[in-house]
Amino acid sequence: SQQGEEDPQALSIQEGENATMNCSYKTSINNLQWYRQNSGRGLVHLILIRSNEREKHSGRLRVTLDTSKKSSSLLITASRAADTASYFCATDAYGGATNKLIFGTGTLLAVQP
Amino acid sequence: ETGVTQTPRHLVMGMTNKKSLKCEQHLGHNAMYWYKQSAKKPLELMFVYSLEERVENNSVPSRFSPECPNSSHLFLHLHTLQPEDSALYLCASSALAVDSGNTIYFGEGSWLTVV
Repeated sequence: SQQGEEDPQALSIQEGENATMNCSYKTSINNLQWYRQNSGRGLVHLILIRSNEREKHSGRLRVTLDTSKKSSSLLITASRAADTASYFCATDAYGGATNKLIFGTGTLLAVQP
Repeated sequence: ETGVTQTPRHLVMGMTNKKSLKCEQHLGHNAMYWYKQSAKKPLELMFVYSLEERVENNSVPSRFSPECPNSSHLFLHLHTLQPEDSALYLCASSALAVDSGNTIYFGEGSWLTVV
């Protein structure tokens, strides 16, 4: 079943602007991850934030996590045309003997040059 | 280059054909996954292999048959597929399936079109 749900589904901004994407999830988690996917390619891991963390930075990326609201946000600052991609949040869920990542439907970000 | 290689990148097959997707990882990981990505739907986890043993099968139709001969290779055998099976099939690997917080490394995907 779907765990993460990104908002908005699509976002179009100008180069240099900041882009904010949100993710909501339903059950308790140990960690939340963000991935990026260029059109028709595989997903690439961006950043992981653990349930006991509230904010994490990596270069131009800033992720926040609010476990009380079961939500996370990904901020990309000073966006570039090369940031155009789909962005997915993924939460861990235990099923049987394995830990697995459950992905949302993604936010399609278009950065106009 | 993520260290996970999928072949073929594109595959067109008829509903009566039998074909296979191949995945190879060069990361020394012990867990491998098949995901299905259809338009406007979340990624669907199909199968999980941990230490070459299938540990997850998410109610996938039997026309999809996975095989993991060793920890570096994963196959998805396809037979008598339906047009709705057309999608991007993503292979992935991680250090261990049971580790919380593991990062999953994806291949570039195999685009499958069933005609």
